[in-house]
Amino acid sequence: GAVVSQHPSRVICKSGTSVKIECRSLDFQATTMFWYRQFPKQSLMLMATSNEGSKATYEQGVEKDKFLINHASLTLSTLTVTSAHPEDSSFYICSARKDTSTDTQYFGPGTRLTVL
Amino acid sequence: GNSVTQMEGPVTLSEEAFLTINCTYTATGYPSLFWYVQYPGEGLQLLLKATKADDKGSNKGFEATYRKETTSFHLEKGSVQVSDSAVYFCALSVSGGYNKLIFGAGTRLAVHP
Repeated sequence: GAVVSQHPSRVICKSGTSVKIECRSLDFQATTMFWYRQFPKQSLMLMATSNEGSKATYEQGVEKDKFLINHASLTLSTLTVTSAHPEDSSFYICSARKDTSTDTQYFGPGTRLTVL
Repeated sequence: GNSVTQMEGPVTLSEEAFLTINCTYTATGYPSLFWYVQYPGEGLQLLLKATKADDKGSNKGFEATYRKETTSFHLEKGSVQVSDSAVYFCALSVSGGYNKLIFGAGTRLAVHP
């Protein structure tokens, strides 16, 4: 199989605080991980692409300093939403790709972030 | 640029009805095409894929054919079940640039007994 987990599944935080979301590939090593944001009843919007051991590549319009991505190992990537505000409330989804020979991504179950 | 257009939902069907969800794309290069499904409360799951023209992807009774001439990848199922109720996303991936996925807006399917 190819299982991707996310933690936490839900988080509520106060405005101005930072929140870290973890994405793990449980039974494979992921050379590349992706972070998406999904608004209610809308599609997934790619935020950034991260490769293990290198800096993430952010999509146009995504603030690098606000959404910090770390891909320290082949099985773990983290997304930190810094100084969160209510408009950051959303569903954040990660995915992982096994290697560069495939274009199939395996998705995590998502993390619901609510900023009060 | 690269983009995916899906038919708007929601699509409401009775059990055992025939399903078609239209998907067309624009892409530079030769994309791979995907259908992902998101069941209520769950993450996206790959349903099927096709990597070149005239390929047919199939899984769980669903199928889609990569039509280069019409730039389409329509999803079909001959007889839907209540358990097929979900949101279906068409997506493409173009080689290079980390093979990132570009998604359509998603089509919600509701199947009633």
